[in-house]
Amino acid sequence: DAGVTQSPTHLIKTRGQHVTLRCSPISGHKSVSWYQQVLGQGPQFIFQYYEKEERGRGNFPDRFSARQFPNYSSELNVNALLLGDSALYLCASRGSGYNEQFFGPGTRLTVL
Amino acid sequence: QKEVEQDPGPLSVPEGAIVSLNCTYSNSAFQYFMWYRQYSRKGPELLMYTYSSGNKEDGRFTAQVDKSSKYISLFIRDSQPSDSATYLCAMSDRTGTASKLTFGTGTRLQVTL
Repeated sequence: DAGVTQSPTHLIKTRGQHVTLRCSPISGHKSVSWYQQVLGQGPQFIFQYYEKEERGRGNFPDRFSARQFPNYSSELNVNALLLGDSALYLCASRGSGYNEQFFGPGTRLTVL
Repeated sequence: QKEVEQDPGPLSVPEGAIVSLNCTYSNSAFQYFMWYRQYSRKGPELLMYTYSSGNKEDGRFTAQVDKSSKYISLFIRDSQPSDSATYLCAMSDRTGTASKLTFGTGTRLQVTL
């Protein structure tokens, strides 16, 4: 079975630009969460979606937004990029009735 | 003060050693505890999941939770060079659709030949 997939693998943007990151959960999983991991730190929670509805939001500015589609895949959008947005963006999926979250390989975003 | 504290290391041990990795936390509502392994520039891989206090063993790995002390541990027996990675503890105060994870900063482990 395929695990969580994310695209693109790497991305380089300049300050002020917009970026869209994509995630496909494990087949059968309906919950997707997004995390930001800055170098040398643990992942920080950004959003959680379940059945296309936002179920949780971390302490991130409104420049960060996300959505989940009917096939349970998800997009994370970041507007007006800042240098500090450079990080590994991780997507995690969770099966219904379970608490374990499984992570994808991440998208490495570099903002110049 | 961070909700979850974890010594960043690096921790260097010889092959075959027993490794002890630890996290402390301040939020007494945490009751679901996980350990992830993360290789350089990769996503975290779930190693162990435990609920509430007690021990759980899986092969060379043992996870221990002491809620009274707000302290969790991961023990690795017979450590191998392939165990060299960053180990992240993570915890949650709830299950279900609003279960966000709070992570430690990660401990970098190096197992030498």
